[in-house]
Amino acid sequence: GQNIDQPTEMTATEGAIVQINCTYQTSGFNGLFWYQQHAGEAPTFLSYNVLDGLEEKGRFSSFLSRSKGYSYLLLKELQMKDSASYLCAFTDSNYQLIWGAGTKLIIKP
Amino acid sequence: IAGITQAPTSQILAAGRRMTLRCTQDMRHNAMYWYRQDLGLGLRLIHYSNTAGTTGKGEVPDGYSVSRANTDDFPLTLASAVPSQTSVYFCASSDSPGATGELFFGEGSRLTVL
Repeated sequence: GQNIDQPTEMTATEGAIVQINCTYQTSGFNGLFWYQQHAGEAPTFLSYNVLDGLEEKGRFSSFLSRSKGYSYLLLKELQMKDSASYLCAFTDSNYQLIWGAGTKLIIKP
Repeated sequence: IAGITQAPTSQILAAGRRMTLRCTQDMRHNAMYWYRQDLGLGLRLIHYSNTAGTTGKGEVPDGYSVSRANTDDFPLTLASAVPSQTSVYFCASSDSPGATGELFFGEGSRLTVL
């Protein structure tokens, strides 16, 4: 079978750094996505990793280790507007997206 | 219209009624998707279409049907709504079929079935 797991909720302080982890199990893998979803809104694309390593985009970075079935999203210099849910999803061997339940990130002043 | 538009934004529906959720995109994307999002669960794929004229079943297709008569429109129909279909429904599109590219989502349709 295949599954994907990420923490339900995390809390961090404005200006700090937070790492949101995502682990997955699958027999076929074709890439991993991170999306941001503010409450009551649609998900928006953050990153896509298909090869091992770190991809940096401004304050956000995403890391992938295919051998470990592991990814993380790193958010630096946290701002209040970063309060949102962060969704991890991988593309399986049938080229379908399998989504995690999302991590709700709460930023405190 | 810019991006993906869904209608209605919100709807309360009596069980047993027929309902169509509309989705229109103006980005000329070939691939389109319908997801439902429920509290504590990840997005679940209902149906998808890789190109106009073709559709496929996702993870939770029962009770739903779709059509793709042209590139822009991808309506989702609930033939006879049941309370378990209460959810937030998102339409999405991509210019990369096979879930290898960025998905662009509509704003969602919140459906309550009583």
